[in-house]
Amino acid sequence: DGGITQSPKYLFRKEGQNVTLSCEQNLNHDAMYWYRQDPGQGLRLIYYSQIVNDFQKGDIAEGYSVSREKKESFPLTVTSAQKNPTAFYLCASSIQGDILHFGNGTRLTVT
Amino acid sequence: GIQVEQSPPDLILQEGANSTLRCNFSDSVNNLQWFHQNPWGQLINLFYIPSGTKQNGRLSATTVATERYSLLYISSSQTTDSGVYFCAVDGNTGKLIFGQGTTLQVKP
Repeated sequence: DGGITQSPKYLFRKEGQNVTLSCEQNLNHDAMYWYRQDPGQGLRLIYYSQIVNDFQKGDIAEGYSVSREKKESFPLTVTSAQKNPTAFYLCASSIQGDILHFGNGTRLTVT
Repeated sequence: GIQVEQSPPDLILQEGANSTLRCNFSDSVNNLQWFHQNPWGQLINLFYIPSGTKQNGRLSATTVATERYSLLYISSSQTTDSGVYFCAVDGNTGKLIFGQGTTLQVKP
């Protein structure tokens, strides 16, 4: 079955540690995205990539980093510079300009 | 950047009732999508509808691009329709911007 896999589902970290969230897709989509969702809020775009080895900042990129070395993978690193990292993180992919498909998300808690 | 406003923010319905959710956007778009987020956080695409009208079972959507709004209609609502409905748009930048969502609760 084609789809987007995010792992882990739940992640706990101590303040000051970097953490990397995994996102893998086997839909052969060129475009991949990372969104952040806070309780009761909409989704805000962190980073997106329209092609391998290229990515752009979204609206809230500060404190985050990404890489796109392979078409199927778009990992997100939450660095210690991110002031409020506790949130629900959603990865998505699409054929450019077409329907957006989402993974099941990773809930990150930093204490 | 483009602004997306959804209304109402919250909606409570009795099972079997109909409802209309609205999405207003501030600029021309070449991509508009509606999503449903279930209580477990999963986001499912309902419609890809930059213009025109589409129907899928009890759900239908209409986008009037020239007037910069889209409507999502839910007929004969069921408890499984509960969750948050999001509208997302792209003004030819390659990135979808989401509204704040409408939280729907359908009571049995």
